[in-house]
Amino acid sequence: EAGVAQSPRYKIIEKRQSVAFWCNPISGHATLYWYQQILGQGPKLLIQFQNNGVVDDSQLPKDRFSAERLKGVDSTLKIQPAKLEDSAVYLCASSPPGRGREKLFFGSGTQLSVL
Amino acid sequence: GQNIDQPTEMTATEGAIVQINCTYQTSGFNGLFWYQQHAGEAPTFLSYNVLDGLEEKGRFSSFLSRSKGYSYLLLKELQMKDSASYLCAVSGNTPLVFGKGTRLSVIA
Repeated sequence: EAGVAQSPRYKIIEKRQSVAFWCNPISGHATLYWYQQILGQGPKLLIQFQNNGVVDDSQLPKDRFSAERLKGVDSTLKIQPAKLEDSAVYLCASSPPGRGREKLFFGSGTQLSVL
Repeated sequence: GQNIDQPTEMTATEGAIVQINCTYQTSGFNGLFWYQQHAGEAPTFLSYNVLDGLEEKGRFSSFLSRSKGYSYLLLKELQMKDSASYLCAVSGNTPLVFGKGTRLSVIA
């Protein structure tokens, strides 16, 4: 079974530039999450999708971050413009429907450095 | 809201037993999870407790007391490859919320 795919693996940009991350969840997983993990901390939820609808985006900085999952499968997360404090690993995760939906499967993440 | 506390760092000897504690405060409770995260890698699922008591899975066990808002992860027969961060996470009225993680170093 293929895991959660993310790209790119690494990205370096200057502040005020834009960046986009892509995620393809495990086939059949209806729920998709984007987490931000700053060095030395646990992952922090940015947004949760159920199919192509947003379930929770209360911690997404909407003035600069946006995310979409148009066809209910893959998803993109965008930052525009980036700030120094956005330097982090951006993790995408998915979970299966029904019982066991709480168990998250994570991708390898995108490590973003904002200079 | 939710608040999760766990020690920042721990060191243990190869072959020994180590217990990583986690205390939490949550609005609603649907379960407590432990994830392992090696440096530079994604978190991977270790265990899940929804009822009080001990769940054992090989060398790893996890305990939950809902009334005390307390859990621990027990690692037995420690191996060098167990050096990693261990993340406690709680599911409640909000999606899964993670603690800051405990960085475990296993030494010879």
